[in-house]
Amino acid sequence: RKEVEQDPGPFNVPEGATVAFNCTYSNSASQSFFWYRQDCRKEPKLLMSVYSSGNEDGRFTAQLNRASQYISLLIRDSKLSDSATYLCVVNRAGGFKTIFGAGTRLFVKA
Amino acid sequence: DAGVIQSPRHEVTEMGQEVTLRCKPISGHNSLFWYRQTMMRGLELLIYFNNNVPIDDSGMPEDRFSAKMPNASFSTLKIQPSEPRDSAVYFCASSSQGGGGNEQFFGPGTRLTVL
Repeated sequence: RKEVEQDPGPFNVPEGATVAFNCTYSNSASQSFFWYRQDCRKEPKLLMSVYSSGNEDGRFTAQLNRASQYISLLIRDSKLSDSATYLCVVNRAGGFKTIFGAGTRLFVKA
Repeated sequence: DAGVIQSPRHEVTEMGQEVTLRCKPISGHNSLFWYRQTMMRGLELLIYFNNNVPIDDSGMPEDRFSAKMPNASFSTLKIQPSEPRDSAVYFCASSSQGGGGNEQFFGPGTRLTVL
């Protein structure tokens, strides 16, 4: 079993839709959590950090559930430009080991 | 401001040849990471440096791979000898604080093809 697991998708949604991704992690000592976005043939870029209290950035909301060991990303009012692969990222305790999920592909269509 | 710089952007080589990938982190960042990305295995951390010192190289696949960071502004990842299964995109990333608990800024990657 992989340490960080994501549904690879693809998720195909129309513009304006709300879409949610989940990510599960197996190491209960994991300390920091992030969502990165990667466009086709480009490098990953930080989308947002994920805090225990949850956090929101415009149309994007991230949640962390430590008891169930999963994090989620909600995208509201999807735009064509949201089409990308979304990577779930977990840092182990101590912060030195970064584990990336395999990513979830999102296609937003007009 | 310049981001993380990697060279070359593309490399095509033959099996058995030595390959050297280069990275210049963002000025002032003291953490540097090398990753490999393939369709089959996704993005894998190979090695992590903090203040030019290798902290965790447990992700380096085998002895054919080596990485150095002689100073704060330069790092290399070397594969010798290269094999077709090393074909992948290699990313370098840097961060302003120790560990991976902060945002990592990725370079554009080096696309390596080993024939």
